[in-house]
Amino acid sequence: DAKTTQPPSMDCAEGRAANLPCNHSTISGNEYVYWYRQIHSQGPQYIIHGLKNNETNEMASLIITEDRKSSTLILPHATLRDTAVYYCIARGHFGNEKLTFGTGTRLTIIP
Amino acid sequence: DAGVIQSPRHEVTEMGQEVTLRCKPISGHNSLFWYRQTMMRGLELLIYFNNNVPIDDSGMPEDRFSAKMPNASFSTLKIQPSEPRDSAVYFCASSPRTGEEQYFGPGTRLTVT
Repeated sequence: DAKTTQPPSMDCAEGRAANLPCNHSTISGNEYVYWYRQIHSQGPQYIIHGLKNNETNEMASLIITEDRKSSTLILPHATLRDTAVYYCIARGHFGNEKLTFGTGTRLTIIP
Repeated sequence: DAGVIQSPRHEVTEMGQEVTLRCKPISGHNSLFWYRQTMMRGLELLIYFNNNVPIDDSGMPEDRFSAKMPNASFSTLKIQPSEPRDSAVYFCASSPRTGEEQYFGPGTRLTVT
C-alpha cells in the first residue's frame, strides 16, 4: 500500500467546514483512498472511500486531485462529536484486505 | 444491526495467565480481522479470516498468540501465557466482502500485571 502523509493535528471551529488533507504521492492506479476516524476510547469508524472521482455520503465528502497524489476529507458542518483522530489510508481494493493505519490527524473541534 | 460485538470489554489478569478475547462479527460479513492498539505502535493488524479461514497471520507477534474462527458468527483470540507487554486494546472488525470497508467493534482493553 502507498504511504500517506497527514498533518499531526488540526483545529476547526464548531459549525465550520473541517478540511483534512492527505498526501499519497506514490499511490498506484488500483489503490483506493479510504478515510476512517477514531473517537476517543472507541473503535475506528469507516467514513468514506474513493478511487478518482469525488465522493459524498451522509458523513463527509472526499475530494481527490486529478493526479491522485493528494486528497481532502471535508466535514461540512463540524460538531464537537467530530473531535477524533482521522486516518487516511491508500489501499488496493480487491484481494487486499489489509488496512495499514498511520498516525493520522488529531482533529479538535473548538466550541 | 448490533454491529461487531466484543467481550469482555475490560480484562485484567496476571502475568502467565491465559486470556481469551471473543468477537461476534456483523451477520453476513465474510471477513474478520483482529487488531491491537498501543500508544507506542498504534493500530496493528494481527490476523484476518475470509470465510472462516485464516488468510494472513503475519502480524501475530509470537506463538503465545492464537486465533480461531470455528464458524461465521464467532472468533476468539487467545494469549497463553500472557505478559505485561501484551497490555493493549484489542479490536475485532468485520467486512461484508473481500476488500470492502471494515466495521470495528468497541474493543477489549487488556491489562496484564
